[in-house]
Amino acid sequence: ETGVTQTPRHLVMGMTNKKSLKCEQHLGHNAMYWYKQSAKKPLELMFVYSLEERVENNSVPSRFSPECPNSSHLFLHLHTLQPEDSALYLCASSQGTSGHSYEQYFGPGTRLTVT
Amino acid sequence: KNEVEQSPQNLTAQEGEFITINCSYSVGISALHWLQQHPGGGIVSLFMLSSGKKKHGRLIATINIQEKHSSLHITASHPRDSAVYICAVNSGGSNYKLTFGKGTLLTVNP
Repeated sequence: ETGVTQTPRHLVMGMTNKKSLKCEQHLGHNAMYWYKQSAKKPLELMFVYSLEERVENNSVPSRFSPECPNSSHLFLHLHTLQPEDSALYLCASSQGTSGHSYEQYFGPGTRLTVT
Repeated sequence: KNEVEQSPQNLTAQEGEFITINCSYSVGISALHWLQQHPGGGIVSLFMLSSGKKKHGRLIATINIQEKHSSLHITASHPRDSAVYICAVNSGGSNYKLTFGKGTLLTVNP
């Protein structure tokens, strides 16, 4: 158990649906991340939050909308997705984002299929 | 060309063998990470290092900053070591932004 949980673990949605992915970390960390992992491609950073402030938006389409209400919770709101958005979405957390490098702790991921 | 290159892409070994996975990078870094991803998706951080060598159980990670190269070694490999091993670097002056390699799929047969 890594201390980072994600729900749901699997999600199938149509292109017109609206859904949300949830991530919760129980490690007392100040930074949280969303990553996308597509087949045969390296992990891609989507968003980074530090102390509930967004510090990175890695050219992600607006159909993905993150929300960080507090340092323990992170959401990814999804709407009007495309089939190419089907992927494994991973959440991670770290102690911080500045001063020096930190290990990142990952959740189990949400396997998203867009039909 | 990806900033982080791993080799081999796939590796099959017999239980007990010594395994080496290599990672080369083309940029200046502040730290290098080795991660393990089991089937099903979850990723575990194995090592974070910026110089020298680290050891944890049967796993050893080394880095040569001048050569821009790191290796992950597994001694006395076991079928439960079967996973994808991913190298990632903090580069571009960022302490949090990771650039990932494509991963090495390791299969250890009994």
